[in-house]
Amino acid sequence: DAKTTQPPSMDCAEGRAANLPCNHSTISGNEYVYWYRQIHSQGPQYIIHGLKNNETNEMASLIITEDRKSSTLILPHATLRDTAVYYCIVRSPGANNLFFGTGTRLTVIP
Amino acid sequence: EAQVTQNPRYLITVTGKKLTVTCSQNMNHEYMSWYRQDPGLGLRQIYYSMNVEVTDKGDVPEGYKVSRKEKRNFPLILESPSPNQTSLYFCASSLPGRLVAFFGQGTRLTVV
Repeated sequence: DAKTTQPPSMDCAEGRAANLPCNHSTISGNEYVYWYRQIHSQGPQYIIHGLKNNETNEMASLIITEDRKSSTLILPHATLRDTAVYYCIVRSPGANNLFFGTGTRLTVIP
Repeated sequence: EAQVTQNPRYLITVTGKKLTVTCSQNMNHEYMSWYRQDPGLGLRQIYYSMNVEVTDKGDVPEGYKVSRKEKRNFPLILESPSPNQTSLYFCASSLPGRLVAFFGQGTRLTVV
C-alpha cells in the first residue's frame, strides 16, 4: 500500500480555511485516499475519502491532484474544535485495516 | 444514534490478572477490529473479524484473544496482561470492504 507524507504540525487562525496537504506519490490506481482525525485521545473520526474526483461533505473538502500523487483536505472555516491530529491514509478496497501514520497536528488559534 | 461502545473506559490492573474489554456496536456492521495506540507508534491493529465466528490476526496480536459470537459484540481478552500491554485501546466497526470505520471512545489500560 502507498506510503503517505504529511507535515507534522500546522496552525490555522479560527474562521480561516485550514488546508492540510498529503503526499502519496506511490499511490496505485485502485487505492483510495481517506482522511481521519483524532481529537485529543478520543477515537479516530472519519472525515472524507475519494479516489480521483474532488469530494465534499458537511465536514470538509478533499482535493486530489490529477496525477493522484497528492491531496489536500480543506476545512473551510476552522473552529477551535477542529484542533486535532489529521491522518491521511491510502488503502485499496478490501484492505483489512487502516494504517495510521503520524499525521498532522492542526492547532486552530483564536 | 450509531455508536461503538467500549467498557471500561479506564482500567488499572496487575500483571497476570485476566481481563476483558468489551466492545458493542449498534449499526449491524459485519466487520469489527481492535487497535492499540502507543506514543510514537500510532494506531496498530490487533485483531479483526469479518463476521460472526470469523476472526483473524492483525499486526500485533501477541498476548491478546478475541471472540465474535454475535454480530454486535467483539470483546478483547488479555489472558495474562503484562506491563507492555499498557496502552490506549480502540474498537472499530464498519461494513466489509469499507474503510469508513466508526471508533469507540477508547479504553485506557494500565498494567502494573
